[in-house]
Amino acid sequence: DAKTTQPNSMESNEEEPVHLPCNHSTISGTDYIHWYRQLPSQGPEYVIHGLTSNVNNRMASLAIAEDRKSSTLILHRATLRDAAVYYCILRDRDGGGAQKLVFGQGTRLTINP
Amino acid sequence: SAVISQKPSRDICQRGTSLTIQCQVDSQVTMMFWYRQQPGQSLTLIATANQGSEATYESGFVIDKFPISRPNLTFSTLTVSNLSPEDSSIYLCSVLGLPKNIQYFGAGTRLSVL
Repeated sequence: DAKTTQPNSMESNEEEPVHLPCNHSTISGTDYIHWYRQLPSQGPEYVIHGLTSNVNNRMASLAIAEDRKSSTLILHRATLRDAAVYYCILRDRDGGGAQKLVFGQGTRLTINP
Repeated sequence: SAVISQKPSRDICQRGTSLTIQCQVDSQVTMMFWYRQQPGQSLTLIATANQGSEATYESGFVIDKFPISRPNLTFSTLTVSNLSPEDSSIYLCSVLGLPKNIQYFGAGTRLSVL
């Protein structure tokens, strides 16, 4: 599985934007970039995913570099409920045995009131 | 989306015993997974539960220690056998939802072994 690199922790203030970086220099052409987050005492939940173009949904935006070797998850206006561990994961588009999600260490995001 | 129910939510077990964790999904799914999350760590995939055939285990995990059943497309069990304190972890069930290939997770089973 292609690997991702994320900062261990980040801190931000409530109601401010948060940019969570992820490096994936060995990404292949068929890898989707997925983001999940794990709130305290819960299972992970899906946030967003993309292949080449930037993506937006109600939770966040995903900005993907032109060479696809890095991406940034953007929380436009963080709330205290966004405090979680955020995981950037590569998943092969063609599926098969690579459908499983392989988690790295993620970024622990702290939101200050 | 898929709603996953895991039972029990937590348990305290004695060394040498076994615990069976149940995972029920509200819709039929092709792929189900079992993960372990040790204290303060990220998630590690134990195995993929295949309907009608033996589970596919990841490196470092064996069927004798983590037998898995998958009798139908909505249900699976994970048994953690011959428990030791090192098995104290959160065990999570996950399913792959179509068509967007989003993975959904249960809330987990918190196991403590004394």
